[in-house]
Amino acid sequence: GAVVSQHPSRVICKSGTSVKIECRSLDFQATTMFWYRQFPKQSLMLMATSNEGSKATYEQGVEKDKFLINHASLTLSTLTVTSAHPEDSSFYICSARTGAETQYFGPGTRLLVL
Amino acid sequence: GENVEQHPSTLSVQEGDSAVIKCTYSDSASNYFPWYKQELGKGPQLIIDIRSNVGEKKDQRIAVTLNKTAKHFSLHITETQPEDSAVYFCAAPYQGGSEKLVFGKGTKLTVNP
Repeated sequence: GAVVSQHPSRVICKSGTSVKIECRSLDFQATTMFWYRQFPKQSLMLMATSNEGSKATYEQGVEKDKFLINHASLTLSTLTVTSAHPEDSSFYICSARTGAETQYFGPGTRLLVL
Repeated sequence: GENVEQHPSTLSVQEGDSAVIKCTYSDSASNYFPWYKQELGKGPQLIIDIRSNVGEKKDQRIAVTLNKTAKHFSLHITETQPEDSAVYFCAAPYQGGSEKLVFGKGTKLTVNP
């Protein structure tokens, strides 16, 4: 149980294009989903907290217009990187939380912007 | 908010030995402490967690101990195997019962055959 999927697992795009990443909780309903960014050999950096049906809460320093988050249902949240640039290249990971404290992570999406 | 420090940053052990990773936290109101294992190129996997109402929790070769007075918790892996090689992260709630987690910087564990 508690499986979280992400799609795509890897994406390469040209600078200036937008990329959408999907995060799904497959066998449970997630009251809250989180989006993280991870640079090589570093820890997880929280970008935003997403609750179904409401606007996402972004961490300080994260551009809301750059990283659009939509949480349309209790099993799906999407992160759209708008007008991507090479500095947006990173490993993006989502997690989903049930009513308890436990966060279950997806497998991550590797984004490379050329 | 919470501050989590994790040590050591790297740990190398021989197969069959034990490995211990320690984390300290700053907020005495924190009540939930998970440990995650991350293999290269994958997302973190929850391996064990502990809540503040218990001092120790064990799951086969993995155990976590919590010292609320000293504000530290540790991951213990016994009889290590090469497949235990990964980066391990500890975490604590951002603030008291916050749903957000603050992560340690990670420990790269290498188990040598």
